[in-house]
Amino acid sequence: DARVTQTPRHKVTEMGQEVTMRCQPILGHNTVFWYRQTMMQGLELLAYFRNRAPLDDSGMPKDRFSAEMPDATLATLKIQPSEPRDSAVYFCASDKQENTEAFFGQGTRLTVV
Amino acid sequence: AQSVTQPDIHITVSEGASLELRCNYSYGATPYLFWYVQSPGQGLQLLLKYFSGDTLVQGIKGFEAEFKRSQSSFNLRKPSVHWSDAAEYFCASRRDNFNKFYFGSGTKLNVKP
Repeated sequence: DARVTQTPRHKVTEMGQEVTMRCQPILGHNTVFWYRQTMMQGLELLAYFRNRAPLDDSGMPKDRFSAEMPDATLATLKIQPSEPRDSAVYFCASDKQENTEAFFGQGTRLTVV
Repeated sequence: AQSVTQPDIHITVSEGASLELRCNYSYGATPYLFWYVQSPGQGLQLLLKYFSGDTLVQGIKGFEAEFKRSQSSFNLRKPSVHWSDAAEYFCASRRDNFNKFYFGSGTKLNVKP
């Protein structure tokens, strides 16, 4: 059963600490999206990659957030330093160009205290 | 620019009643359109999609949606709601396979016994 895998599922950290979230896209998928979900803002696109190259990261605060794809099977989203306002659920999704839809992971629930 | 509007933040229906969730999109051409469902603590699951052809599309769990170009709408329907349908529903659009998704703000569905 192919699925997008995100780790960790939950993370509680102190303000100022570095946070790394990982995503394993579905094998063969060449596009990866990072979304952040909050009650106030809903689903916001942070960044997306195709064939490991960033296509759009305009939704990401550049001073503290970074997104990379070290290889085709791993995408990472880092926050350094983290702040309480970063508390949210972060979703990764993947697709391949032959598909029209994206497949979502279960999300990482981040709490910054 | 593209956008998706879901005018209803919360909807409550009785079990067994019919359901219609509204979605309007803004885009010059016909975008690809999607409905996703999110259960508490879970990721988003695709219910159905439309990109061309028959304007009435069938999805999983007994859902259907109708694309109406004249109204720029893609409303989700179900003839008889089950308690397990209680969740949050997101409408989304994308220009084509190569572009990002635009999500609506979501509609939370509550089902009364």
